[in-house]
Amino acid sequence: DSGVTQTPKHLITATGQRVTLRCSPRSGDLSVYWYQQSLDQGLQFLIQYYNGEERAKGNILERFSAQQFPDLHSELNLSSLELGDSALYFCASSESQGGNTIYFGEGSWLTVV
Amino acid sequence: GNSVTQMEGPVTLSEEAFLTINCTYTATGYPSLFWYVQYPGEGLQLLLKATKADDKGSNKGFEATYRKETTSFHLEKGSVQVSDSAVYFCALSSGGYNKLIFGAGTRLAVHP
Repeated sequence: DSGVTQTPKHLITATGQRVTLRCSPRSGDLSVYWYQQSLDQGLQFLIQYYNGEERAKGNILERFSAQQFPDLHSELNLSSLELGDSALYFCASSESQGGNTIYFGEGSWLTVV
Repeated sequence: GNSVTQMEGPVTLSEEAFLTINCTYTATGYPSLFWYVQYPGEGLQLLLKATKADDKGSNKGFEATYRKETTSFHLEKGSVQVSDSAVYFCALSSGGYNKLIFGAGTRLAVHP
């Protein structure tokens, strides 16, 4: 158990809908990361937050957004969903914003039908 | 830009065989290198890491040495077990923000 908690574990939704994935980082970790794992794209970095502020952005679509709240939990919002958004979305956390080991949650499986 | 290249799988071995999974990288500066493992139906777990040239990371019988001259970080284990069956990802982070760049992953299947 990494200490990173993600909900929901599985989600099935229709095209065009919007979903929110939630992540609680390990106790004491200030940095949160979101990754997408799909069959065709592999593991891709989406976005990083540190202590509530966006720190780095990767291949995140404009239809996706994220935030980190004062209690350090994070949410990834996916809107206008398409079939190609079906993937495993990982949240990860680390103690600070650089130079640390990153610990991953078990992921949220999103299926868009 | 930074990138990681892993040998394609699947790799199929018999129990107690020697394992090597090749990983090479391209990066500016001095990246940190990692191996993560994903067991069936589970998330990513850090297996080992190395933060500077010639460092050797090790864990659970797995080892990898950071070779700057060959830009490689090959994963090895002397005697694999069925329980090692998983997907293994090589990754690097460079710069100040911990952003991990992953290889495509190598699936390992170990048979009794």
